[in-house]
Amino acid sequence: DAGITQSPRHKVTETGTPVTLRCHQTENHRYMYWYRQDPGHGLRLIHYSYGVKDTDKGEVSDGYSVSRSKTEDFLLTLESATSSQTSVYFCAISQQGQGLETQYFGPGTRLLVL
Amino acid sequence: ELKVEQNPLFLSMQEGKNYTIYCNYSTTSDRLYWYRQDPGKSLESLFVLLSNGAVKQEGRLMASLDTKARLSTLHITAAVHDLSATYFCAVVQGAQKLVFGQGTRLTINP
Repeated sequence: DAGITQSPRHKVTETGTPVTLRCHQTENHRYMYWYRQDPGHGLRLIHYSYGVKDTDKGEVSDGYSVSRSKTEDFLLTLESATSSQTSVYFCAISQQGQGLETQYFGPGTRLLVL
Repeated sequence: ELKVEQNPLFLSMQEGKNYTIYCNYSTTSDRLYWYRQDPGKSLESLFVLLSNGAVKQEGRLMASLDTKARLSTLHITAAVHDLSATYFCAVVQGAQKLVFGQGTRLTINP
């Protein structure tokens, strides 16, 4: 499972409140990613990180910020949650295996914004 | 902008039959992935395809890649119920960022 954990696994919050999701990995991977999954859209990249303090935007970054102060932790923050951010959020790492880079995904966080 | 499209989006089939899921992408990429997702679960990596003409097989699943046509296929042979899941293809777009198709929900009936 590439040693990825996400917390919390489930969260219900109200519109306008800040929310932080945590992704933790134990195997010193350089690249980490946050995706959201919505019906009919597959997974869409929110932000990614290519090292400590090195992050960049993905396809759907509006309303989200990230931070990576340690190799093992990648945090996703919704500064002021909206109902459109109700989704399942997946963290991923990129790992080399058999000469190929493959992304492996964490268990996901289900977020409901009321 | 890279776009990835899968078809069909929903597929219901009987055990023992063969079928193919198609994945088209709009711009050149050097890698294509197939993932499986069971309901309420995370994504599981199935195949990584690197080059034109690449073919990989695992059990009843076989994936192929035609980079000139920008097309990948996931072929299911003699389907069994355990293969019921949602299958995603994803294409690399720089910096190892993945762009996903919408997913194909496969239901295999006894």
